[in-house]
Amino acid sequence: DVKVTQSSRYLVKRTGEKVFLECVQDMDHENMFWYRQDPGLGLRLIYFSYDVKMKEKGDIPEGYSVSREKKERFSLILESASTNQTSMYLCASSSHNYGYTFGSGTRLTVV
Amino acid sequence: EDKVVQSPLSLVVHEGDTVTLNCSYEVTNFRSLLWYKQEKKAPTFLFMLTSSGIEKKSGRLSSILDKKELFSILNITATQTGDSAIYLCAVEQIQGAQKLVFGQGTRLTINP
Repeated sequence: DVKVTQSSRYLVKRTGEKVFLECVQDMDHENMFWYRQDPGLGLRLIYFSYDVKMKEKGDIPEGYSVSREKKERFSLILESASTNQTSMYLCASSSHNYGYTFGSGTRLTVV
Repeated sequence: EDKVVQSPLSLVVHEGDTVTLNCSYEVTNFRSLLWYKQEKKAPTFLFMLTSSGIEKKSGRLSSILDKKELFSILNITATQTGDSAIYLCAVEQIQGAQKLVFGQGTRLTINP
């Protein structure tokens, strides 16, 4: 059974803190994605990666960076968290043969 | 700019009703259109549509794609309270990394 695991379900951080959101997949998928989900806006793509050490900006990359040092792990980094980054963050992985699998999401609150 | 628009954004019906959810798109390099159901956590896959006019069915759910008019509908018949969820429409583009462009989602609430 394909699994995409996000390290935290709920996270509360202070403004200005550096925040790491971790995502691990166990199916050797080439592609990994970070989305944020906000009411009325749907899922918006922050960054994606199609290979180790490769990354591309999505639609809303400002204030975020990513790291993919190993194929199975894709990290989202908030360099200096702000209140407008309070959101649900969803990680996903995909391969051409298998399609998309989502993680359970991390609900981040920045206070 | 690539765009996927869902309507309505929110819908409240009674158990047993039939609902139709809409998804229109303007996306370059279209590969497929996907429907997902999201309850408390991860979106779960419902349908993938690639060809016009071919209905896909799974129990009480069905979906169809019109590539000429650039829209899709998701029908749910004889709704149950367990159908309450956010329904997401997404378009996959033809490019290396299988990017998806999502709509805003439709929040469906089924009242007993």
